Amino acid sequence: GAGVSQSPSNKVTEKGKDVELRCDPISGHTALYWYRQRLGQGLEFLIYFQGNSAPDKSGLPSDRFSAERTGESVSTLTIQRTQQEDSAVYLCASKTSGASNEQFFGPGTRLTVL
Amino acid sequence: SQQGEEDPQALSIQEGENATMNCSYKTSINNLQWYRQNSGRGLVHLILIRSNEREKHSGRLRVTLDTSKKSSSLLITASRAADTASYFCATDEWGAQKLVFGQGTRLTINP
Repeated sequence: GAGVSQSPSNKVTEKGKDVELRCDPISGHTALYWYRQRLGQGLEFLIYFQGNSAPDKSGLPSDRFSAERTGESVSTLTIQRTQQEDSAVYLCASKTSGASNEQFFGPGTRLTVL
Repeated sequence: SQQGEEDPQALSIQEGENATMNCSYKTSINNLQWYRQNSGRGLVHLILIRSNEREKHSGRLRVTLDTSKKSSSLLITASRAADTASYFCATDEWGAQKLVFGQGTRLTINP
């Protein structure tokens, strides 16, 4: 079956603009995660969705960042009033609700804020 | 915040040699996983080792876990040029549903 997909693959925007990033998880995966990865760095957890439970937003770096998920499908990550420091690859991952925490990652969206 | 720390940050070896990467973490964990990343894009899951396991094998990969030292190692035997990538360890704390990733080891295999 299809893996996790993300769009766009690349996004260049001007400082101050809003951007919206999309993630389509693997069908049937109840958990969905967003991460940020700056150049040469590890992954920073941003937000986690699990079914209909309240999302874990503890990793969102500021109130300019928000995310939504419709049921157990598509998720969008929105960054308002983008700053140059927001430039990074944004990765989405999904997994089943089982005990194993193996996550399946999408290819990421490379965001460049000029 | 990042819990795992990989060591070394970068490793360059000749094809055919073995590559060893280490990971340290700070809290009690449920399991530890290793992921591979090519060209700064999506990660691929390599292997998972549970907290009650000490060693695990998968093909040319061997992972060890020492919970008393809060450390893990990933060994890639008989390395190939295609193994060139960044390797990350990730841990999940008991009761938590999110993974905490280390900074990664950049592995280069020279032909």
